Order: sequence, then C-alpha cells, then structure tokens
Amino acid sequence: EAQVTQNPRYLITVTGKKLTVTCSQNMNHEYMSWYRQDPGLGLRQIYYSMNVEVTDKGDVPEGYKVSRKEKRNFPLILESPSPNQTSLYFCASSPWGEGLNEQYFGPGTRLTVT
Amino acid sequence: AQRVTQPEKLLSVFKGAPVELKCNYSYSGSPELFWYVQYSRQRLQLLLRHISRESIKGFTADLNKGETSFHLKKPFAQEEDSAMYYCAPGADKLIFGTGTRLQVFP
Repeated sequence: EAQVTQNPRYLITVTGKKLTVTCSQNMNHEYMSWYRQDPGLGLRQIYYSMNVEVTDKGDVPEGYKVSRKEKRNFPLILESPSPNQTSLYFCASSPWGEGLNEQYFGPGTRLTVT
Repeated sequence: AQRVTQPEKLLSVFKGAPVELKCNYSYSGSPELFWYVQYSRQRLQLLLRHISRESIKGFTADLNKGETSFHLKKPFAQEEDSAMYYCAPGADKLIFGTGTRLQVFP
C-alpha cells in the first residue's frame, strides 16, 4: 500500500533530551516535507527537501534539523527540545515535476515537551 | 510576504445549503493553488487543485487573480462534508491557511 509512515505516533519527553521523528514513504517521491500544526495557526512548514541531499528551510525551522540521505526517509531531529515545540507534526511527500503536486500526508506525531 | 487568509474559523450550515469557504492569498509569482481537507480522525488529503479544474465531491474553486482569491464552493452541502478545510498556495513550498471548520447540520 502506498503510504507515508511516521514514528512514533505519540511522544512525551523532557526539555533538552534529543529526539528523532522518522518519516518514510514508499512511493519513490522526490519531494518531502515536515509541518507542525498548532491551534489557530494551521500548518506551518518546518523544512522541505526536493531530493536526496537537498534540504531547505520552511517558515519555522528554528530548533529543528533534517537530513535526506535516502529518497524514502526524511527524519526530523530536535537536538534540544523545548516546551514551545509541543505540537502535532506531519510529514508529507509528493512527486516533483514542474512544481508542486499533491502532497501525501502521514498520520501525524503528537509531541509533548515538558 | 507570503500569506494565506481564511477569514472564517467556523462555518455552520444546514444540509442542502450552499457553502463558500473563502481564501485570499499573497504569494510572489504564480503559485499552484490547492485545497486540502481533513476529516475527523483521518489524514490531511488533497481535495482539489486549480490546475486540474476538476469538481471533487461537488466542490469547485474559482481563481480570481485580480483579487488573489481562491474560494471553495459547493451548491448543496452534505453532512459528510463536515471537516477542516485548508487553502494552500505554493511553488516550491506550500503555505497553508489557518483553516476553516465546516459543520453541516442535518
């Protein structure tokens, strides 16, 4: 089944403890992206990648890192999480050709930083 | 600055009534325009995109380049249309609006 998977789905952690949220897609998509969703703010893009070894900042990249070593994986890394990074995180992927195409979203990861 | 405005946080209608979800955007260049929908306990998914000019589930969206608006419309709302709707223009990256929750009452 073609899909985007994220792990973990739920995570409670403490301030400063490094964590990684994984994202994987099996559709051979070039474009992958991370968003955070907060009440009243909608979805805001954190980072995106147009292909392997190519990443770029979105609108709210501070406090996050990403890597794209393989086409299928796009992990989100929080080196030193803080409470303001408590949010619902979505990974998405899409084919890339002559601009943006339909984004396929993962199920979301709910992160709580205490 | 790139910005998307969805002025209504909540839109409540009765079944069979017309629906219009507003979207105004500010984006440099000529972005592609999308509407995404999130039904309860489901993933965010594409509803429609401007370039395809399709009607999906009875919804259409008209681009007004002069007003930079991309309002979503449906002539007769159904209960199963109740969901969160996001307008999203984009070129190399998508900018999402804050969303409009549509409630359709029986």
